[in-house]
Amino acid sequence: GENVEQHPSTLSVQEGDSAVIKCTYSDSASNYFPWYKQELGKGPQLIIDIRSNVGEKKDQRIAVTLNKTAKHFSLHITETQPEDSAVYFCAAYKGNTPLVFGKGTRLSVIA
Amino acid sequence: DGGITQSPKYLFRKEGQNVTLSCEQNLNHDAMYWYRQDPGQGLRLIYYSQIVNDFQKGDIAEGYSVSREKKESFPLTVTSAQKNPTAFYLCAISDSGNEKLFFGSGTQLSVL
Repeated sequence: GENVEQHPSTLSVQEGDSAVIKCTYSDSASNYFPWYKQELGKGPQLIIDIRSNVGEKKDQRIAVTLNKTAKHFSLHITETQPEDSAVYFCAAYKGNTPLVFGKGTRLSVIA
Repeated sequence: DGGITQSPKYLFRKEGQNVTLSCEQNLNHDAMYWYRQDPGQGLRLIYYSQIVNDFQKGDIAEGYSVSREKKESFPLTVTSAQKNPTAFYLCAISDSGNEKLFFGSGTQLSVL
């Protein structure tokens, strides 16, 4: 089955710097890759996603890139702010089976 | 949480006791899921249901049971067979397929 690896497990950045979180997947049939943000004590929320026919997608300060050949995708957060501090999860989907999640990255933005 | 409600927010279980976590949704979504979250372990799938009266085991179903008698409800029972039940439990729903998941606010289960 699908396996999603996520790195790093923890990440600390200075406020205003950029943060990058990387994920790799194993099943070339996967075609949808969402990213979720989880704040303390809450459920994860979808923040951005990308499909396999697109190489990059941007929404204000966040962007996701996808390299299908290498089977990896990344989340980029620019101009980080303290409210970006959270746990971020990547996931992969290949059709009519549940999403497979990475183990998460705890991002801390230091003011 | 947009129409998905988990209760209670906190739950305590005594040794040998079964406890049931509630998940209700009013978005008319077909699929519902239960995930367990432990620190550093990510989200692990316990059970999921894509249609009423049908459900499938996820990766860590042992010690848990579910039912899907109504489209809007998917309760999870943590049985006494689950020896390490302390975790944060998340319910999620999705509409067509299994793509975009919407999560509830979670239930923290602890053992007394």
